[in-house]
Amino acid sequence: QVQLQESGPRLVKPSGTLSLTCAVSGDSIRPFYWSWVRHPPGKGLEWIGYIYYKGNTNYNPSLKNRVTISVNTSTDQVSLTLTSVTPADTAVYYCTRGRGDPLDPWGQGTLVTVSS
Amino acid sequence: QSVLTQPPSVSGAPGQRVSISCTGTSSNIGAGFDVQWYQKVQGAAPKLLIDESSNRPSGVPDRFSGSKSGSSATLAITGLRGEDEGDYYCQSFERGLNGFEVVFGGGTKVTVL
Repeated sequence: QVQLQESGPRLVKPSGTLSLTCAVSGDSIRPFYWSWVRHPPGKGLEWIGYIYYKGNTNYNPSLKNRVTISVNTSTDQVSLTLTSVTPADTAVYYCTRGRGDPLDPWGQGTLVTVSS
Repeated sequence: QSVLTQPPSVSGAPGQRVSISCTGTSSNIGAGFDVQWYQKVQGAAPKLLIDESSNRPSGVPDRFSGSKSGSSATLAITGLRGEDEGDYYCQSFERGLNGFEVVFGGGTKVTVL
């Protein structure tokens, strides 16, 4: 079955850029949508955005000016970039398949801390 | 402030039935969008419990059931077990400028007494 594994720096400085990669194994990236969701400590889940394997994207309006999601169908990877980060962006970041209809499965998640 | 409203917590004794409400508006659930439910256990990734408002994916125990009416949805857990402790999130959609936007509830903590 499909497995998702997030990776990237665990610590990012304020005003810096958060970059994560999701490696998809066990199945192809085609013909699916892929989403990023984050879980700030002590808060609820927050949708970041999704991308179709062809490259079409849709982002959370509250993050739209700072977020970019891309896909590499050659390496079966989905990437997330979030610029101008602040401590409020500290969260566990999850990669998941789908665009909400439903979101399944999910990666294990990776905690990214924004701190100097 | 989450788009979908859930009670912060519910509790029940082993074997009892608990239900979790998810209240939306005419912009999301009331617009006809389906609701998904996820279980989030401490230290683990969210797990899909219910999709299309009432469909239970393969492998999910039949103790979990979902329903939707108007602008609200409900997740029911019957025969409550200790392993059911965790946070539960509802999820639906709103129509945005660039397509459907995913919206979540704030989460409900289930405690088994």
